[in-house]
Amino acid sequence: NAGVMQNPRHLVRRRGQEARLRCSPMKGHSHVYWYRQLPEEGLKFMVYLQKENIIDESGMPKERFSAEFPKEGPSILRIQQVVRGDSAAYFCASSPSRSSGGQDTQYFGPGTRLTVL
Amino acid sequence: AQSVTQPDIHITVSEGASLELRCNYSYGATPYLFWYVQSPGQGLQLLLKYFSGDTLVQGIKGFEAEFKRSQSSFNLRKPSVHWSDAAEYFCAVVISNFGNEKLTFGTGTRLTIIP
Repeated sequence: NAGVMQNPRHLVRRRGQEARLRCSPMKGHSHVYWYRQLPEEGLKFMVYLQKENIIDESGMPKERFSAEFPKEGPSILRIQQVVRGDSAAYFCASSPSRSSGGQDTQYFGPGTRLTVL
Repeated sequence: AQSVTQPDIHITVSEGASLELRCNYSYGATPYLFWYVQSPGQGLQLLLKYFSGDTLVQGIKGFEAEFKRSQSSFNLRKPSVHWSDAAEYFCAVVISNFGNEKLTFGTGTRLTIIP
């Protein structure tokens, strides 16, 4: 059973360009979480999605960032007009959550390391 | 809002020595607790988790953690470390909101192993 897949693993963008990060959850998982890890810091929650729905985007910056998880295909985290401060590692995690209260584990992908020049 | 504190930014231990990494959380109720490990340039791997029941939890790679409600702590331990344990360790909590199980992470503890 393949784990959570993210691509690309490394992404370099110049300021003002767009970055698209993809996450394919584990088979059978319908819940995706995105986290950002700034250099020398822990991971910070960004957004929680289920198929075709954004459930919680309280950790997303108000501008330039968006996320989706379509019915078919991977989840996408999109950053428009990137700035140097967006340089970070972006991790997604998936879970088979049964809405039963915190009893499902999140499995993490290897991350996408975004560098903005 | 809940928070997680890992007071030790960097710990160095000798190979074969015992290890304890500290984690404290701030929340009124009992959260769900996790320890993850991250090797350089890699993603996070789950070491162990606590949801309820026995407060001493066994994980992979010989790690264990003990939940102490009175101290709001969930410290990670290993009796004898191996050079391959060198990595960054993150404690995390979930305050479940009926299916929204976003993790709140501590800032991590970097473990260095010396011969």
